[in-house]
Amino acid sequence: GESVGLHLPTLSVQEGDNSIINCAYSNSASDYFIWYKQESGKGPQFIIDIRSNMDKRQGQRVTVLLNKTVKHLSLQIAATQPGDSAVYFCAENKYDYKLSFGAGTTVTVRA
Amino acid sequence: NAGVMQNPRHLVRRRGQEARLRCSPMKGHSHVYWYRQLPEEGLKFMVYLQKENIIDESGMPKERFSAEFPKEGPSILRIQQVVRGDSAAYFCASSPQAGLADEQFFGPGTRLTVL
Repeated sequence: GESVGLHLPTLSVQEGDNSIINCAYSNSASDYFIWYKQESGKGPQFIIDIRSNMDKRQGQRVTVLLNKTVKHLSLQIAATQPGDSAVYFCAENKYDYKLSFGAGTTVTVRA
Repeated sequence: NAGVMQNPRHLVRRRGQEARLRCSPMKGHSHVYWYRQLPEEGLKFMVYLQKENIIDESGMPKERFSAEFPKEGPSILRIQQVVRGDSAAYFCASSPQAGLADEQFFGPGTRLTVL
């Protein structure tokens, strides 16, 4: 079965608000996690990653939080924009190259 | 610098036909990964190849599916005698070195529809 999953399949956000997308994983041996954004008709696009020796990492308008105690990670998007509408996937890396993806959360930004 | 290229972008096949999906990695990348995405699901790893070698095909069905990455030319994912359950988006990713998940760049995918 899958070891990575997302709590909610859909998320509707008002433009300008912050978005929080959650993901749970079951393999405590995983040491690397990635968030991807997939727009309609396109391949996954790397957003941000985090290694298991960290609990927080920030990028441009995005922050990833990792809670190893409860095996949970989240992606926070600040000041959500219409261009942020997409499906967001978390992925874990149990081996060096084999990414394991969750089912995805569809984010819709309301104007 | 062109990204990962896949063709065709859309492919329609009738049950029993063969599907051939092509992937040209980014320039300088010699490692290719194929993933399958069923509707409403995340990507599932299928196979990892280097030039002329299959490194890991643990995610690929044992029958009807095969992959190659020849010395010259694109990587090919071949599905023989397609069935409706093969309908999915197939994504290729490439990386410059082995074992670096954070350097896997994805192509736009091939959407296979089996009638």
